[in-house]
Amino acid sequence: DAKTTQPPSMDCAEGRAANLPCNHSTISGNEYVYWYRQIHSQGPQYIIHGLKNNETNEMASLIITEDRKSSTLILPHATLRDTAVYYCIVVRGSSGDKLTFGTGTRLAVRP
Amino acid sequence: EPEVTQTPSHQVTQMGQEVILRCVPISNHLYFYWYRQILGQKVEFLVSFYNNEISEKSEIFDDQFSVERPDGSNFTLKIRSTKLEDSAMYFCAIGLAADTQYFGPGTRLTVL
Repeated sequence: DAKTTQPPSMDCAEGRAANLPCNHSTISGNEYVYWYRQIHSQGPQYIIHGLKNNETNEMASLIITEDRKSSTLILPHATLRDTAVYYCIVVRGSSGDKLTFGTGTRLAVRP
Repeated sequence: EPEVTQTPSHQVTQMGQEVILRCVPISNHLYFYWYRQILGQKVEFLVSFYNNEISEKSEIFDDQFSVERPDGSNFTLKIRSTKLEDSAMYFCAIGLAADTQYFGPGTRLTVL
């Protein structure tokens, strides 16, 4: 699986958009970009994933560059409950593959 | 989002004892996983389970570890003889397809 690089920490103001970047320059054509988050010591929570098109769901938007070497997770209106560690993970496009977690980005949402 | 429960939420055991951690998916899923997270460290993959057999395991998952689905619903992780370094949060995850995995709340294992 391709390696990902994320900034160790970020912060944003409550109510503003949080934009979390991820570099995955060695991604292969059949690999997806997945985003998970972990709030304190809870189980990781699935947020969103994509292959090459931009994706949006009720939690977030995922913007993937045309060359697929980087992506950005956007939380459009961050709340205090979005304070968490966010993980960008590249996974092969076949079911059952393990997730390899890095150190992620620790997002702090300030009041 | 599929729901996963894990029991117990916290297990304290003596070194050398056996522990069984349980995972109960609320709905039918095909893929089952165990991960662990030692305090302050990354989430680490242990094992994946599909069609009633192990499909992949990590170096951590040695002979002291085993998994099974004893009754077709529960998914268990057994550690035969616990060591101090087994102290960690253990997370079960389930998947239906396409690599989206849904995690349980975890079991905190403390080995004394």
